[in-house]
Amino acid sequence: DQQVKQNSPSLSVQEGRISILNCDYTNSMFDYFLWYKKYPAEGPTFLISISSIKDKNEDGRFTVFLNKSAKHLSLHIVPSQPGDSAVYFCAASDNNDMRFGAGTRLTVKP
Amino acid sequence: GAGVSQSPRYKVAKRGQDVALRCDPISGHVSLFWYQQALGQGPEFLTYFQNEAQLDKSGLPSDRFFAERPEGSVSTLKIQRTQQEDSAVYLCASGVWVNQETQYFGPGTRLLVL
Repeated sequence: DQQVKQNSPSLSVQEGRISILNCDYTNSMFDYFLWYKKYPAEGPTFLISISSIKDKNEDGRFTVFLNKSAKHLSLHIVPSQPGDSAVYFCAASDNNDMRFGAGTRLTVKP
Repeated sequence: GAGVSQSPRYKVAKRGQDVALRCDPISGHVSLFWYQQALGQGPEFLTYFQNEAQLDKSGLPSDRFFAERPEGSVSTLKIQRTQQEDSAVYLCASGVWVNQETQYFGPGTRLLVL
């Protein structure tokens, strides 16, 4: 069962514009959410996280929004840069294990 | 400092062959996780160690899969009698403690079973 879903397998944006990556989850027990970034032939790298007690967390160009009632979170990257091109995984944790989405491939065009 | 390393980076096995995948976590990291990532999918949890204790192995897909971390540092994931459906990237991650935020991933081992 897919408890974490990323319904867009790919996203293409222009350099300087905003990238919005979306993630939905089904398990209401998840209380911690993370975004990982993955380049080819490398392992995922932690990017940003948010606790279920918050609805927004910002770190530089990256902001994660959490809507608990909708069981939805999103990652905003602004402004997008070509170096942001990678696969982005959404993950959710209930402190016992972590579930990942299938990933969204972001391409930022110069 | 050195990150998480995994070896081999690539492994081709004949169906029925046993394989052993190694993970060297970041020195001093208490927690160690193994994930399986199929093509086009996100990583899926296999098993978790806290030091040498295997606290959760609920994600191991069958009894052909076995993981150990005997001295609380290096870990080995062993797959016996490999099947074609075992083909995937096997990711290892380590963390300072049990906080999921501080998981650091290795580059993975890509296993292809023919």
